[in-house]
Amino acid sequence: AQTVTQSQPEMSVQEAETVTLSCTYDTSESDYYLFWYKQPPSRQMILVIRQEAYKQQNATENRFSVNFQKAAKSFSLKISDSQLGDAAMYFCAYRSEDFGNEKLTFGTGTRLTIIP
Amino acid sequence: EAGVAQSPRYKIIEKRQSVAFWCNPISGHATLYWYQQILGQGPKLLIQFQNNGVVDDSQLPKDRFSAERLKGVDSTLKIQPAKLEDSAVYLCASSSGQGTYGYTFGSGTRLTVV
Repeated sequence: AQTVTQSQPEMSVQEAETVTLSCTYDTSESDYYLFWYKQPPSRQMILVIRQEAYKQQNATENRFSVNFQKAAKSFSLKISDSQLGDAAMYFCAYRSEDFGNEKLTFGTGTRLTIIP
Repeated sequence: EAGVAQSPRYKIIEKRQSVAFWCNPISGHATLYWYQQILGQGPKLLIQFQNNGVVDDSQLPKDRFSAERLKGVDSTLKIQPAKLEDSAVYLCASSSGQGTYGYTFGSGTRLTVV
């Protein structure tokens, strides 16, 4: 079974600075998808960024980018120019597929605080 | 497009009572998921529907939890009888295909069992 590990329960960053959230995963598959989701107090999980494992180029979405290290099974999220609205729980997720059945497995999350 | 709708937003019940949650996915999304998120943890998949058929319910506590998706659209998740450890946020999500572009989540129902 796939596992997703987020080793930082909490992180804080000064507004306008850069922060990196860590995620590692365990899998025997060669082709898969990875995601970062943001969960603000409203509880809705919002997709931040997506990475396809067969693509070596790191995904980027505006101020959000990832450092995808396939051999190390590492998938970190970098947030540049942090804003107060970035404060939330961030979850790393792995999409697995087994005989046509697919599902997302989530890590335990990192609570990000933005310091004004 | 409208998002995934869930109700109620909050629910407080006593242990051994029953409760039901409702989810309306994005129009046209064939796949619907129910996740349980206990405080301090990531969401855990309870059940996955493809249209109105169950694809995966391996982590659903079937002695007390049940779910249905009539006509392949709306879905309800029921707990009967509830236990204290069922206190959690119940998230519904949907996707149009195989989820390779992620899922769209609703805002969840926060259940407190006292």
